[in-house]
Amino acid sequence: SYVLTQPPSVSVAPGKTATITCVGDNIESKNVHWYQQRPGQAPVLVISYDLDRPSGISERFSGSNSGNTATLTIATVEAGDEAAYYCQVWENSGEHVVFGGGTKLTFL
Amino acid sequence: QVQLQESGPGLVKPSETLSLTCTVAGYSISTAYYWGWIRQPPGGGLDWIATINHSGTTYYNPTLRSRITMSMDTSNNQFSLNLSSVTAADTAVYYCVRGEDDILTNACDYFDFWGQGTLVTVSS
Repeated sequence: SYVLTQPPSVSVAPGKTATITCVGDNIESKNVHWYQQRPGQAPVLVISYDLDRPSGISERFSGSNSGNTATLTIATVEAGDEAAYYCQVWENSGEHVVFGGGTKLTFL
Repeated sequence: QVQLQESGPGLVKPSETLSLTCTVAGYSISTAYYWGWIRQPPGGGLDWIATINHSGTTYYNPTLRSRITMSMDTSNNQFSLNLSSVTAADTAVYYCVRGEDDILTNACDYFDFWGQGTLVTVSS
């Protein structure tokens, strides 16, 4: 089955740019979606279809997808950005949803 | 604004069936979109369970397929999950969700609305 691999954790200094990767075989052929989950809360969609921001999501969040790697970038990281982030795709061949293992973003 | 609310027992005995219902407000589930379930074990990641759309197209997590039943009750704007033969490994927060329906491919794309989640513990 299709596997999405994320680093378990990423550390960043406040005010800097955070980059979270999601690796999958030929992932550029799929639509990648990203979620933010703060502790004790339900996940929130922050990027859909590789790079689209839903209404209400800060412009500091952006996405890209090329080759075997999709990337979520968070510019000028703030305290509220400390959270877990998950990538997700639809796997056509198996007709099922796949999530990455999640990345915890923490401050240095 | 679309709102989803899970309901069901918080404690289920091993080998029994876990049953949850999601009540949707602000949108008729018979109109469009996928409706489904995602779970998260304590300290773990997100695990997709199943989704069903307004036309009855249903997709299941292959590792759970044999134990899952999903249904829709359009008259009450609810959908439900039954997970049979539960074990401690099924202990998790269960979220009900709305999924984007790609009408060209029938793919279930992103999940834009989530319930608050309900913790279900499997224990005797």
